[in-house]
Amino acid sequence: LAKTTQPISMDSYEGQEVNITCSHNNIATNDYITWYQQFPSQGPRFIIQGYKTKVTNEVASLFIPADRKSSTLSLPRVSLSDTAVYYCLAQGGKLIFGQGTELSVKP
Amino acid sequence: KAGVTQTPRYLIKTRGQQVTLSCSPISGHRSVSWYQQTPGQGLQFLFEYFSETQRNKGNFPGRFSGRQFSNSRSEMNVSTLELGDSALYLCASSPGGGGTYNEQFFGPGTRLTVL
Repeated sequence: LAKTTQPISMDSYEGQEVNITCSHNNIATNDYITWYQQFPSQGPRFIIQGYKTKVTNEVASLFIPADRKSSTLSLPRVSLSDTAVYYCLAQGGKLIFGQGTELSVKP
Repeated sequence: KAGVTQTPRYLIKTRGQQVTLSCSPISGHRSVSWYQQTPGQGLQFLFEYFSETQRNKGNFPGRFSGRQFSNSRSEMNVSTLELGDSALYLCASSPGGGGTYNEQFFGPGTRLTVL
């Protein structure tokens, strides 16, 4: 099963772009790479999903190189409300969540 | 559309007891998955149900079980509770047959405390 590794924590300031990188060395061919955001006392919320190359939606971009062994979530111009835990996972038959990255956005 | 609902939101039990948690998915969603979240182990996948059948299962002991009804509502049961079962139990639903390959819509969770 694919295991994901990401930084435990990151700090940023309002208005900056934040890039969180995740490694998933043994990702399966059928797995998608998905990112979720979780606030305290709430369930995770879907941010973005991709298989390869680049995917962009209204809140984030996801960059996946050709070998798919890593991925980078990019959050443009973060605000205080983006302070949360961000999970990267290889999403297949079983969802394997990593430990998550605790992002702290400061004024 | 109403989101995923879980009942109860909070529960306190003692060791050795059993507990049943309930999850109502978003209307029209047929896949329901369950997760356990603890500070030490993070988010761990328990199992997924689709059309009343368990399709995927995580690495949990047989004390953890679940079922899904014809209206897609799901329950999970934990028997012979242990202190280590104290956790936030999250339920998520997704549309279509892709199940855990699709976007998961999570509920607010049930906070279980075992004393």
